[in-house]
Amino acid sequence: EPEVTQTPSHQVTQMGQEVILRCVPISNHLYFYWYRQILGQKVEFLVSFYNNEISEKSEIFDDQFSVERPDGSNFTLKIRSTKLEDSAMYFCASTGGAGANVLTFGAGSRLTVL
Amino acid sequence: AQSVAQPEDQVKVAEGNPLTVKCTYSVSGNPYLFWYVQYPNRGLQFLLKYITGDNLVKGSYGFEAEFNKSQTSFHLKKPSALVSDSALYFCAVRDIGSNAGNMLTFGGGTRLMVKP
Repeated sequence: EPEVTQTPSHQVTQMGQEVILRCVPISNHLYFYWYRQILGQKVEFLVSFYNNEISEKSEIFDDQFSVERPDGSNFTLKIRSTKLEDSAMYFCASTGGAGANVLTFGAGSRLTVL
Repeated sequence: AQSVAQPEDQVKVAEGNPLTVKCTYSVSGNPYLFWYVQYPNRGLQFLLKYITGDNLVKGSYGFEAEFNKSQTSFHLKKPSALVSDSALYFCAVRDIGSNAGNMLTFGGGTRLMVKP
């Protein structure tokens, strides 16, 4: 069964450092997402990406965050200058279409900011 | 704006007993509704969805959910719980109204604990 793969599985970084989280969505999917889950809290929407541009973003997704699809397979989330409160599990997801299409999630990347 | 509420942080049931995990939603238009399950150190796995039609939706691992428009609810159910069902369950909604985006909004999650 096709999977969304995420790397790294766990990254520890110092506050103020840049972090790039990588995702390989399912190959024929067209819509890509990043969500995050702070420990013990709900899963929160960050951003959606379609046709090589951001289609929606939440208030969490401020200027410190950016997304990119640098080639035909990878989808990255960059945090320019990490803060302690960025510590969370970050999930990438993809889907083949909008509407009722099911999002397939990766296993997540745990980011710990010290 | 769309939102989801899961009123119970935790649900405990004995193995073999029926289980219900509650979910209510709020949308401006009509909803697409989803249930996902999260096992420790894993991503979210899709269980089932409601789009339209029959209010009772059947999904993976014997789970089902009932859409109730008047109560704006989409409770997850299973007739006979297994210890292996113990996990974190998330309800999610997407508003299909004309001004709605494509994002999925999740509830806070309910931890299901099934005792042997």
